[in-house]
Amino acid sequence: GQQLNQSPQSMFIQEGEDVSMNCTSSSIFNTWLWYKQEPGEGPVLLIALYKAGELTSNGRLTAQFGITRKDSFLNISASIPSDVGIYFCAGQPFLYNAGNMLTFGGGTRLMVKP
Amino acid sequence: DGGITQSPKYLFRKEGQNVTLSCEQNLNHDAMYWYRQDPGQGLRLIYYSQIVNDFQKGDIAEGYSVSREKKESFPLTVTSAQKNPTAFYLCASSDRTRSIMNTEAFFGQGTRLTVV
Repeated sequence: GQQLNQSPQSMFIQEGEDVSMNCTSSSIFNTWLWYKQEPGEGPVLLIALYKAGELTSNGRLTAQFGITRKDSFLNISASIPSDVGIYFCAGQPFLYNAGNMLTFGGGTRLMVKP
Repeated sequence: DGGITQSPKYLFRKEGQNVTLSCEQNLNHDAMYWYRQDPGQGLRLIYYSQIVNDFQKGDIAEGYSVSREKKESFPLTVTSAQKNPTAFYLCASSDRTRSIMNTEAFFGQGTRLTVV
């Protein structure tokens, strides 16, 4: 299936620092979604993006749908210990897909040092 | 509260046994999905269903089976043919009756299956 390249794979930062992660694809996407997964739990939707160039915030989180429709980034400002988890990007490819299938990135594991 | 529920949270299976994982949603969503997650990895699609009595194979369907007899339920059976079934299994649902552009998937809490 489609592949999303998510980077970095992991980050170990100091509390208070800002975080940035991104996803890229070789093909165009209609939708970009960002999820957070805590250990032993299912992913929880953080932000959904539907238009190229769209910039959306959710508290300390900001995400953007790239102009080329092939990438998206997620920023977390002033990180806190509870930001720890795995962040996944997901997208729906532009090509017709009857299942409205989402393709997931490999995840960014975030660790925050108090 | 509306949501998606997976059970059990933890499941142990002996080699050679089939086991069924439950997924129920009361969100009135048409589409339901099963994903597999291995340690440190992303999500891989096993099966999906867009409507009752219909389902399609995902990227890694071998060794798994599903049914969709009711809109709210999408159980996954891990058969003995699945050679490496130990993993974290996630069920999700989405509302296809909304715009095709609105494809947010909502996840259950997962079932961790261990073969002993």
